[in-house]
Amino acid sequence: AQTVTQSQPEMSVQEAETVTLSCTYDTSESDYYLFWYKQPPSRQMILVIRQEAYKQQNATENRFSVNFQKAAKSFSLKISDSQLGDAAMYFCAYRIPTQGGSEKLVFGKGTKLTVNP
Amino acid sequence: DAGVIQSPRHEVTEMGQEVTLRCKPISGHDYLFWYRQTMMRGLELLIYFNNNVPIDDSGMPEDRFSAKMPNASFSTLKIQPSEPRDSAVYFCASSLGLQETQYFGPGTRLLVL
Repeated sequence: AQTVTQSQPEMSVQEAETVTLSCTYDTSESDYYLFWYKQPPSRQMILVIRQEAYKQQNATENRFSVNFQKAAKSFSLKISDSQLGDAAMYFCAYRIPTQGGSEKLVFGKGTKLTVNP
Repeated sequence: DAGVIQSPRHEVTEMGQEVTLRCKPISGHDYLFWYRQTMMRGLELLIYFNNNVPIDDSGMPEDRFSAKMPNASFSTLKIQPSEPRDSAVYFCASSLGLQETQYFGPGTRLLVL
């Protein structure tokens, strides 16, 4: 079965500190894309960062970076210099191609991040 | 823009009844997603459409669930017959692209007695 596991239902961090959210996944595909989405109370699902599985270099977007371990099927998100606006639900997801040219999206259950002032 | 619009906001029904949830995506968005969220299972993608065409419905739990998108501005998710385990919050979302920001509606809170 293709699954995404976020083992931390909730996390908290002090403002300006660093926090890491974990994600593991299970797929038999070799070609896929990994994503972290942020869902604030406004309920937008905002793309934070993405990683192509064929790339060895970890993706980075400003204060957000990932630690992608393909062999371990691990894709953690590191948030540096945490800000109050980072408080949200964070979802890990992957996208794989399926037969017929379509694509399949699989999401984890999410991690609720609280940022303490 | 009014954002993604869902109706009804709350629905209480009895087991065995048909339930129809409605969604109006943001104008110009090519992708429309239906999600179900429960405490036990978290956020689950049920189905998504691209240009009104269903692309991946593997998340639809069983044949009692069906979704349609007759045009670019309207989609429905139907449950027939409904069961108590279908109780959840159902979200509709739309986006410009598959890996772009998805804008969620306010959700429909469904309770099946």
